[in-house]
Amino acid sequence: GAGVSQSPSNKVTEKGKDVELRCDPISGHTALYWYRQSLGQGLEFLIYFQGNSAPDKSGLPSDRFSAERTGGSVSTLTIQRTQQEDSAVYLCASSLYIGMNTEAFFGQGTRLTVV
Amino acid sequence: AQTVTQSQPEMSVQEAETVTLSCTYDTSESDYYLFWYKQPPSRQMILVIRQEAYKQQNATENRFSVNFQKAAKSFSLKISDSQLGDAAMYFCASSYGGSQGNLIFGKGTKLSVKP
Repeated sequence: GAGVSQSPSNKVTEKGKDVELRCDPISGHTALYWYRQSLGQGLEFLIYFQGNSAPDKSGLPSDRFSAERTGGSVSTLTIQRTQQEDSAVYLCASSLYIGMNTEAFFGQGTRLTVV
Repeated sequence: AQTVTQSQPEMSVQEAETVTLSCTYDTSESDYYLFWYKQPPSRQMILVIRQEAYKQQNATENRFSVNFQKAAKSFSLKISDSQLGDAAMYFCASSYGGSQGNLIFGKGTKLSVKP
């Protein structure tokens, strides 16, 4: 696609339920990043993919969070047994390659509300 | 570890005037990049401008320019001839060679533009 696409745009879920957030990066971008933006806060880095591989998962807040990427394209961030503190905007970004100077292109995010 | 600090939670500017947003950072890295991102209500982060630490010349993109003071670890954004469309959250961010491209963000500055 022309840009990074995330779905759903908004998600309301009950505490304890599992949710899946989807990110469709720009075609040809090998690097993919997930960030979490809580109310009034900056963006918190969660995980990155180089191709289908996630070399460092230490940014994930707890073992309830997991992510995968298939075919070097679509990525899914899964949150199990959601808690109210998981409420936030989850942003995905992709870039042509891994590197400190590469421009990251962001999606519009998924606003997750846990009630 | 790198940190990015934005000390102005909110700023306001009159249309057509100039405004400067502040950002300071802390790093022990010798090479790194600094960025300003804009986040309008649509939530999509948009790259405004970037600066490589090794380059002494301040980056400029049309009405947007930076004042990069490496010794002071300061990276401010100047917006000239402010327009109503400039109203948004502005985030300062950094990346370095070991960060694998993931960005470290400040908490943001909300910019309002008065007609």
